Amino acid sequence: KQEVTQIPAALSVPEGENLVLNCSFTDSAIYNLQWFRQDPGKGLTSLLLIQSSQREQTSGRLNASLDKSSGRSTLYIAASQPGDSATYLCAVPPHNAGNMLTFGGGTRLMVKP
Amino acid sequence: DTGVSQDPRHKITKRGQNVTFRCDPISEHNRLYWYRQTLGQGPEFLTYFQNEAQLEKSRLLSDRFSAERPKGSFSTLEIQRTEQGDSAMYLCASSLAPRVLPNTGELFFGEGSRLTVL
Repeated sequence: KQEVTQIPAALSVPEGENLVLNCSFTDSAIYNLQWFRQDPGKGLTSLLLIQSSQREQTSGRLNASLDKSSGRSTLYIAASQPGDSATYLCAVPPHNAGNMLTFGGGTRLMVKP
Repeated sequence: DTGVSQDPRHKITKRGQNVTFRCDPISEHNRLYWYRQTLGQGPEFLTYFQNEAQLEKSRLLSDRFSAERPKGSFSTLEIQRTEQGDSAMYLCASSLAPRVLPNTGELFFGEGSRLTVL
């Protein structure tokens, strides 16, 4: 059974800092990995999707990397802003379990002005 | 198209009542998913449709839960005889089936329907 872990569970940083969020998964046979953002009481917004054949994806100040063999992904946020404050979730579809995503517990990020 | 829409956004009900949630996916998406999320946790998969066919159901989906997608467009999730443990955010997502199966493709989520069972 796939298990996804996100560390740290919560993070508070001053504005302007570069930061790294970590995601690890136990079964490396994945097709892709998706990073989401969730604001309090809201749905999930897709940030980046990395196919299993890719090593990284970039979107603006966000960069996500994927190392399938070690079961790890990182989300790098450059020059953090208060508007980045949210919960960040990573999710993977298992290889042989159809199309359900297994989510990590998320990292709650607060960027202080 | 404004994305995945869910209705109602909030529902408060008494234990034992039935509730129904509706999801309208992005119009060209043929896959639709339901997830449940409790406070402080990541979403958990409940069920998934491709067109009108319900292809997967999680063990979390007890007999009191039923989901339908009769015409392959919108979907409903009904919870019968609600219990306090059903209180959660119910999230709907949709995606396009990519050419190479069983890749999920990118999922797009709605704003969720929050259920509170008193």
